[in-house]
Amino acid sequence: EVQLLESGGGLVQPGGSLRLSCAVSGFTFSSYALSWVRQAPGKGLEWVSAIGGSGDTTYYADSVKGRFTISRDNSKSTLYLHMNSLRAEDTAVYYCVSSPGFGGSNPFPFDYWGQGTQVTVSS
Amino acid sequence: EIVLTQSPGTLSLSPGERATLSCRASQSVSNNYLAWYQQKPGQAPRLLIYGAGTRAPGIPDRFSGGGSGTDFTLTISRLDPEDFALYYCQHFGSSPTFGQGTKVEIK
Repeated sequence: EVQLLESGGGLVQPGGSLRLSCAVSGFTFSSYALSWVRQAPGKGLEWVSAIGGSGDTTYYADSVKGRFTISRDNSKSTLYLHMNSLRAEDTAVYYCVSSPGFGGSNPFPFDYWGQGTQVTVSS
Repeated sequence: EIVLTQSPGTLSLSPGERATLSCRASQSVSNNYLAWYQQKPGQAPRLLIYGAGTRAPGIPDRFSGGGSGTDFTLTISRLDPEDFALYYCQHFGSSPTFGQGTKVEIK
């Protein structure tokens, strides 16, 4: 059974930092691209960032470029999102999602989703 | 970036009725890189349809997708009580975008 388990969310002040983690099991971790997708309270879905299976390629939404860094540790089957300079508009549930590939000439949809972790940016 | 516009915002129907949801793209979606997701309250989204018309594993055949270019549809042939939920379309290119969602509610 595929499982994606996010952790690390919480309450942080504007300008602060947070690191999210996503522990993955149930498939060959290094064979899958991974993304973070967020959902602000009562709002729709927004893709945030993605990383290829080997970790060599990364992608970011313009709204987080320069503030967030995605990374992965294939030896630990864990995905990370380092978030700096947090703003109120970053408040959302952050989902860890997988796909067989990302971008390039043969992209794939998001086939597995974690249950999400809440990030609240407020003073 | 491809902007996706879903309509209607809310669809009020009864169990057993047919639901047709629309997703229009601001520019042509190459190779039908278009997917549909279902989200229920308090839950993560679930992949339903991708490549415009291929059902994800375990998805009942009452769900079908169609369209090409800039106009896509998700059809639920006969609504089951468990189908009342939010539905999102997504372009899954190198800068994925989602539509704003259509809520299917019980009439």
